[in-house]
Amino acid sequence: DVKVTQSSRYLVKRTGEKVFLECVQDMDHENMFWYRQDPGLGLRLIYFSYDVKMKEKGDIPEGYSVSREKKERFSLILESASTNQTSMYLCASTRSNQPQHFGDGTRLSIL
Amino acid sequence: KQEVTQIPAALSVPEGENLVLNCSFTDSAIYNLQWFRQDPGKGLTSLLLIQSSQREQTSGRLNASLDKSSGRSTLYIAASQPGDSATYLCAVINAGNNRKLIWGLGTSLGVNP
Repeated sequence: DVKVTQSSRYLVKRTGEKVFLECVQDMDHENMFWYRQDPGLGLRLIYFSYDVKMKEKGDIPEGYSVSREKKERFSLILESASTNQTSMYLCASTRSNQPQHFGDGTRLSIL
Repeated sequence: KQEVTQIPAALSVPEGENLVLNCSFTDSAIYNLQWFRQDPGKGLTSLLLIQSSQREQTSGRLNASLDKSSGRSTLYIAASQPGDSATYLCAVINAGNNRKLIWGLGTSLGVNP
C-alpha cells in the first residue's frame, strides 16, 4: 500500500514564524501536491511538483513556497506565518492517471 | 473554467438504504473523474476512478457512473452502513492537464443505525 506521511498531525506556531511542513511518500510517485482545506471552501491547491526540483503554482500560492530536493519528499514552507494561514494542510502523491494518495493532514494553528 | 458541484451538501439516511450521491461538472472535456471519501479530521481515501472513455466503475457496494455529455457522475452506495458515514468528494482532471484535480465541496453523509 502507498504510504504518504506528513510530519505532524497538529502544529501551533506564532505569527511571523517560518513554518515547515514535510511530506514523504514511499511509492516512487513523480507527482506530489500540497492542498489546504477550509470549511465552505473545500480543497484548494497551493503548489504541486511533477519531478525533483520542479514545481508549479496552484490556485493559492501566495505566502507559500515549496521544495523538492528528493523524489520522495515535498516540503511546504510558510515564509512568514499569518493567522489567515490557520488551516488543515493535506499532502498527496500520485503517478500519472492514477488516484491521488493522501496523508492524514496537518492541522496548523497560527496564533 | 471547470466547476464541480455536488448536491446535496448533506444527507442523512437510515441504515440499509440504497443511496445516490451526485456530482456535476461544467466542461465535458475531462481526462478522468475520481471519487474520494474523507473521515472527520483525516486525509482522503480514493474510492473509484473513471476514465473518460468508461461509463462506470464498481468496487464492492460502490458503483460510480459517468455521463460525460451531460456532465454528470453518480456514486451509488448499496445497503448503507453506519461505517459509510463520511464526506464524499468528487473531482475531475481536465483533458490536456492530467495532473491537477478540480474538486467539488463534497456531500456529508450520515447513516443512522
